[in-house]
Amino acid sequence: QVQLEESGGGVVQPGRSLRLSCTASGLTFSTYAMHWVRQAPGKGLEWLAVISDDGSNEFYADSVKGRFTISRDNSQNTLYLQMVSLRAEDTALYYCVMAARYEFDYWGQGTLVTVSS
Amino acid sequence: SYALTQPLPVSVALGQTARITCGGNDIGSKNVHWYQQKPGQAPVLVIFSDSNRPSGIPERFSGSNSGNTATLTISRAQAGDEADYYCQVWDSSTQVYVFGPGTKVTVL
Repeated sequence: QVQLEESGGGVVQPGRSLRLSCTASGLTFSTYAMHWVRQAPGKGLEWLAVISDDGSNEFYADSVKGRFTISRDNSQNTLYLQMVSLRAEDTALYYCVMAARYEFDYWGQGTLVTVSS
Repeated sequence: SYALTQPLPVSVALGQTARITCGGNDIGSKNVHWYQQKPGQAPVLVIFSDSNRPSGIPERFSGSNSGNTATLTISRAQAGDEADYYCQVWDSSTQVYVFGPGTKVTVL
């Protein structure tokens, strides 16, 4: 079955950087677009970024554009999210999501990022 | 940017029908997807492209979309249907994905 496992979350000070990873198994990773979606504590879902199956295209939500970078390594079945200049409002559970089309088919369990001094 | 609206909490009696709406400007021209999220769990896709159910989703879940409103219908509601439900679209004009604010469904 499809498994997405996020890692790299933790507690980080405001202004610092963090890189999240997501390792996929159970499907042909290189044929799926991949997304990051986050959920602040007690809040709703917020889409952050998408990268095409071959990594040639990326799109971002305005809230993270210029601070977050999505990338992937199809040889390692791994998705990344590089986050810089972190703010308290970036505190959230970050989900890795796999999408065949425009809906989100498979979700990981998330990795928690806490931005606090 | 494109915005979606959803009602605040919805309550439904056990065995009855719950309808959750998702509002957006001309949302009928877009494909709407719905997710169920239970406490402490990741979201699960329950309806895609307005009215299609992924494998493993009960027939009790159905969807429709027209005009400025999309609707997720849960028939014969069960206690296990208690969850937050989110609608989602892709905005082709900006190439971004949008979630609704979510609706908490309680089964009484």
